[in-house]
Amino acid sequence: DAKTTQPPSMDCAEGRAANLPCNHSTISGNEYVYWYRQIHSQGPQYIIHGLKNNETNEMASLIITEDRKSSTLILPHATLRDTAVYYCIVMGDYKLSFGAGTTVTVRA
Amino acid sequence: DAGVIQSPRHEVTEMGQEVTLRCKPISGHDYLFWYRQTMMRGLELLIYFNNNVPIDDSGMPEDRFSAKMPNASFSTLKIQPSEPRDSAVYFCASSPPAGGGGTQYFGPGTRLTVL
Repeated sequence: DAKTTQPPSMDCAEGRAANLPCNHSTISGNEYVYWYRQIHSQGPQYIIHGLKNNETNEMASLIITEDRKSSTLILPHATLRDTAVYYCIVMGDYKLSFGAGTTVTVRA
Repeated sequence: DAGVIQSPRHEVTEMGQEVTLRCKPISGHDYLFWYRQTMMRGLELLIYFNNNVPIDDSGMPEDRFSAKMPNASFSTLKIQPSEPRDSAVYFCASSPPAGGGGTQYFGPGTRLTVL
């Protein structure tokens, strides 16, 4: 599976957009990019995934660069409840491999 | 809809005892995953099933660990004998048929402490 690189932590102001970057320069043509998050003491929660095109759902938007070597998860209006560890995962072989993720702290 | 159900939520046992963790996946899901999370090693995939059949158990740490899925609505992860280094949070997740197992729904986890 392709490895991903994320910043270890970032802060965000409540009500503002949070842009979470992820590098995956060795991604293969048929590998999807998945984003999950884990709020303290809970199980991970699926957010969104994509292959080539940008995707949007009720939780977030996913922007994938044309060369697919990086992506950005956008939380349009961050709230305090969005404080969590966010994982960017490139999926191959039907398995998700969770790295260290980005710890996002939303501040009032 | 009930999500993934895990029991017990907390388990404290002594070294050498047998531990059984239980999971009920979301109805209609055909993938089931067992993960372990520790501070040192993060979230690790132990084993996953598709249509009740174990597909990949390469993450199972050693022979003391075993997992079964006797039917589509129940799975167990057993540790025998347990050791203090097995202390962790164990998560079960399930995934629907469409999507190849990438969209996973996690249970609340079982926090295991082995003394």
